[in-house]
Amino acid sequence: GIQVEQSPPDLILQEGANSTLRCNFSDSVNNLQWFHQNPWGQLINLFYIPSGTKQNGRLSATTVATERYSLLYISSSQTTDSGVYFCAVGKKTSYDKVIFGPGTSLSVIP
Amino acid sequence: DTEVTQTPKHLVMGMTNKKSLKCEQHMGHRAMYWYKQKAKKPPELMFVYSYEKLSINESVPSRFSPECPNSSLLNLHLHALQPEDSALYLCASSQEEYLLGYTFGSGTRLTVV
Repeated sequence: GIQVEQSPPDLILQEGANSTLRCNFSDSVNNLQWFHQNPWGQLINLFYIPSGTKQNGRLSATTVATERYSLLYISSSQTTDSGVYFCAVGKKTSYDKVIFGPGTSLSVIP
Repeated sequence: DTEVTQTPKHLVMGMTNKKSLKCEQHMGHRAMYWYKQKAKKPPELMFVYSYEKLSINESVPSRFSPECPNSSLLNLHLHALQPEDSALYLCASSQEEYLLGYTFGSGTRLTVV
């Protein structure tokens, strides 16, 4: 099956700083989503981005499917950005289920 | 309506109890999922329903019994659980099976005593 790695595993930022989170995957995928899990456990959909670039406010994401990675950019971080960021990938086939990466734990301090 | 609603939010049950978790969505999604998540780990797939039929059972013990009464509802029946089953249980839905674009519910935090 597909292997998914996320880096860094942990990140501490001062409020206002920018950051880049990375998701690497071991095989070609046509199905990729970024989530934010807040401290209360809610998993929030950030981007469905199997390829290309998307932006939503202070967040943006880029997936380069041919090179097997995706990046999530957080600009001007706020304390509400704290939590765990997961990428999930899949191949849209019955033989490959969706795989979640191990996550990046982000703490934004005032 | 772009939400998945899960109830209850918290549940404490004894090892001999029977309880049910409920999940509801009204987005017209045809795939619904149960995930289990332990602290500091990613969600772990338990069951997938596609068009109201069980599509995937990830070798989950029989003390967990899923049910999909209709295209909007998903239940997880719990019986004779063990303390190690304590976890966050998440329901999700997507337009089709194997297609991301998941919407997750807020989860049920289950404690087995």
